[in-house]
Amino acid sequence: SQQGEEDPQALSIQEGENATMNCSYKTSINNLQWYRQNSGRGLVHLILIRSNEREKHSGRLRVTLDTSKKSSSLLITASRAADTASYFCATGNSGYALNFGKGTSLLVTP
Amino acid sequence: EAQVTQNPRYLITVTGKKLTVTCSQNMNHEYMSWYRQDPGLGLRQIYYSMNVEVTDKGDVPEGYKVSRKEKRNFPLILESPSPNQTSLYFCASSLNPVGSGTYEQYFGPGTRLTVT
Repeated sequence: SQQGEEDPQALSIQEGENATMNCSYKTSINNLQWYRQNSGRGLVHLILIRSNEREKHSGRLRVTLDTSKKSSSLLITASRAADTASYFCATGNSGYALNFGKGTSLLVTP
Repeated sequence: EAQVTQNPRYLITVTGKKLTVTCSQNMNHEYMSWYRQDPGLGLRQIYYSMNVEVTDKGDVPEGYKVSRKEKRNFPLILESPSPNQTSLYFCASSLNPVGSGTYEQYFGPGTRLTVT
C-alpha cells in the first residue's frame, strides 16, 4: 500500500538552483529511500536513510529525516539539466515491501 | 555488470491471450518483486518473492501469477490479460529484507504492456 506522499507534485527550476522535495508518510518506518526515474525508465536508487539517522549526504544530495513529523526531504544542490527526472520516496518497515509515493516531477531548464 | 533484465521491453497484445514477462537478476538476490506503474497512481506492488518457491501477494495481485523456481528468475504471468492491465511493469530485486529491514532495490528497465 502506498504510504509516502511527495510534495510538490511538480517542480521547475533553472540550472544552478537548488531543488527541494518533501515526503510525508503515515506509519512508523525502518528506513526511507529516495529513487530517481528518468522518463519511462527503471528507478535508480539514490540514498537510504535509516530511522535512527537524521541527515545523510551523497554528492549533491542531502536527505533529512524527521521521524517525529513523519517526513523527509531531498535537497539537490546546484541542479543540472541532467537532474530532470521524477523522484520517489519509498518507505520500508519491518515487513517485506517498499511503499512508494507518487513522485515529484523535477524539470531543470538551462 | 550487476543488473536486472526484463523481456520483452514492449508488448502489444489482445484481451485473453496469455503472456509472460520474464525477469532475471545476476546479483544473487533473494528478494524479487513486481510493480506496475500507472499515471497518477505511482508504483504499486503486484507480487514479491522472498526466495525460491516463496511468493506472496502485494497490493494489486488480481489477474497476475508469478513463480520462483530459480533464484535468478521471477516471471510475471498474465493468463487472460485485460485492457485494465495496460501499464508499465517493473521487476526489482534486493537482498533479503527480513530482520534488518528493507534494502535498496535494483530495478529492471521496464516492460510497457498494451492490451487491446
